[in-house]
Amino acid sequence: DSGVTQTPKHLITATGQRVTLRCSPRSGDLSVYWYQQSLDQGLQFLIQYYNGEERAKGNILERFSAQQFPDLHSELNLSSLELGDSALYFCASSARQGASADTQYFGPGTRLTVL
Amino acid sequence: GDSVTQMEGPVTLSEEAFLTINCTYTATGYPSLFWYVQYPGEGLQLLLKATKADDKGSNKGFEATYRKETTSFHLEKGSVQVSDSAVYFCALVTGGGNKLTFGTGTQLKVEL
Repeated sequence: DSGVTQTPKHLITATGQRVTLRCSPRSGDLSVYWYQQSLDQGLQFLIQYYNGEERAKGNILERFSAQQFPDLHSELNLSSLELGDSALYFCASSARQGASADTQYFGPGTRLTVL
Repeated sequence: GDSVTQMEGPVTLSEEAFLTINCTYTATGYPSLFWYVQYPGEGLQLLLKATKADDKGSNKGFEATYRKETTSFHLEKGSVQVSDSAVYFCALVTGGGNKLTFGTGTQLKVEL
């Protein structure tokens, strides 16, 4: 158990809908990262937050957004869903920014299926 | 940009065989290198890491050495078990640790 929790574990929805994925980092970790794992794209970095502020953006679509709240949990919002958004979405956390903080610990993931 | 190249799978071995999964990287600066493992139906678990050249990461019988001259971080285990069957991902982080860049993953199947 990494200490990172994600809910829900599974999510099934229809095209055009909007969903919210939730992540709670390890106790004391200030950085939260979101990754997408799909069969065709592999593991792709989406976005990072550090202590409530966006720090880095990867291959995140404009239909997707995220935020980190004062209690440090994070939510990833996916809207106008398409079939191709079906994937496993992982959250990871690390302690701080900087060389000593670069180990990321992953949650169990949320499997999103868009029908 | 940064990239990680892993050997194609699946790799099928008999129990107690020697394992090598090759990983090479391209990165600006001096990356930290990682191996993560994903068991069926589960998330990613950190297996081992190395943060500078010639460092050896090790855990649960697995080892990998950070080779700057060959830009490699090959994963090895002397004697695999059926329970090692999983997908193994090589990854790197550069700079302030903003994002992990992953390889495509190598599936390992260990048979009795």
